[in-house]
Amino acid sequence: DAKTTQPPSMDCAEGRAANLPCNHSTISGNEYVYWYRQIHSQGPQYIIHGLKNNETNEMASLIITEDRKSSTLILPHATLRDTAVYYCIVRGQGGSEKLVFGKGTKLTVNP
Amino acid sequence: DGGITQSPKYLFRKEGQNVTLSCEQNLNHDAMYWYRQDPGQGLRLIYYSQIVNDFQKGDIAEGYSVSREKKESFPLTVTSAQKNPTAFYLCASTRTDTGELFFGEGSRLTVL
Repeated sequence: DAKTTQPPSMDCAEGRAANLPCNHSTISGNEYVYWYRQIHSQGPQYIIHGLKNNETNEMASLIITEDRKSSTLILPHATLRDTAVYYCIVRGQGGSEKLVFGKGTKLTVNP
Repeated sequence: DGGITQSPKYLFRKEGQNVTLSCEQNLNHDAMYWYRQDPGQGLRLIYYSQIVNDFQKGDIAEGYSVSREKKESFPLTVTSAQKNPTAFYLCASTRTDTGELFFGEGSRLTVL
């Protein structure tokens, strides 16, 4: 079973921030939080990952709670091209263990 | 450019035939994975391999087989024992220093 829980769907207005939550209450100390997104009929694309500090890159920001049991992916100015399924997974960095994806969140950005 | 190449992109087969999907990577990654995706569903793990000549079953391995004779290659065979093989198949490999997963573009198998 997936170690993460995400809402099945969310909507966001174009130009506004999209905040996608993820619960990972059983995360262990050496596990990172990774986010991927999948646009229809394509392979998932890496977005960002983090351990405990907040992270930002050109695509998004990742906010991890202090107890590390949940996180939020923020797309600061959502565009129509951000419509996709977003997956949150936890894993050890550098590990090659079994990786299980949940069903993700279908984000729809509306004009 | 480095990456993961899956082939073929689209494949049609008759029921009862075995089918092999190719996955090749030139990223020098040790670990490779096969996932299956059905319409409106998430990714389900079929098999994964952490190193050459070794692989483990994922959550839905029945009716599938794999081999890992070379680091670069991780082919998946969909056998006639797989009761519902029509799906989108994704191959991935992982970078050991960052843990980042790289995915191929997928192979869509339709069994007629």
